[in-house]
Amino acid sequence: DAGVIQSPRHEVTEMGQEVTLRCKPISGHDYLFWYRQTMMRGLELLIYFNNNVPIDDSGMPEDRFSAKMPNASFSTLKIQPSEPRDSAVYFCASSRAGDKETQYFGPGTRLLVL
Amino acid sequence: LAKTTQPISMDSYEGQEVNITCSHNNIATNDYITWYQQFPSQGPRFIIQGYKTKVTNEVASLFIPADRKSSTLSLPRVSLSDTAVYYCLVGDGAGTALIFGKGTTLSVSS
Repeated sequence: DAGVIQSPRHEVTEMGQEVTLRCKPISGHDYLFWYRQTMMRGLELLIYFNNNVPIDDSGMPEDRFSAKMPNASFSTLKIQPSEPRDSAVYFCASSRAGDKETQYFGPGTRLLVL
Repeated sequence: LAKTTQPISMDSYEGQEVNITCSHNNIATNDYITWYQQFPSQGPRFIIQGYKTKVTNEVASLFIPADRKSSTLSLPRVSLSDTAVYYCLVGDGAGTALIFGKGTTLSVSS
């Protein structure tokens, strides 16, 4: 199994630009999670999906953030427009039905907004 | 959601046993206890999960007392490569999502 795949691994952009992060979950997993990690705030859950449907997006910081899951094998997290305070590592994770606690994380995307 | 409390940091030396305790006073009947490990520049990795008593795998042991209000992750004979952040979480697998918190930063020295 290839594990959770994220792209890009690193992204440097300028303030105001649109940023799109991508995730491919493990095949057969029903849950997909997007997290953000910074030194100050730790690991924060942004949104999670169950069977491609967004279940809880209460962690999404503001309207500049949006996430989609058009099918079971692909999800995107978009930031438009990006701001320097969005700089962080963004992780995608997936898990099987009935076992949300056992999550498999991707390598993360390190985002720097200048 | 059951809130967890764990020490911010711990220090140890190679070859010692390390025990990290997590408090979860309002754990629900259906909640499981799960521990993750995170190395620098990597995503968290599942270590172990349990409901009660003791669970052991090739990486660690998890001790859960009868009242389940706390749990202890035990790492036998740690090495430098065990230096990482360890997170304790509780959840029922089907309810609302988990909160990772700040975790415990374990530093192992030679």
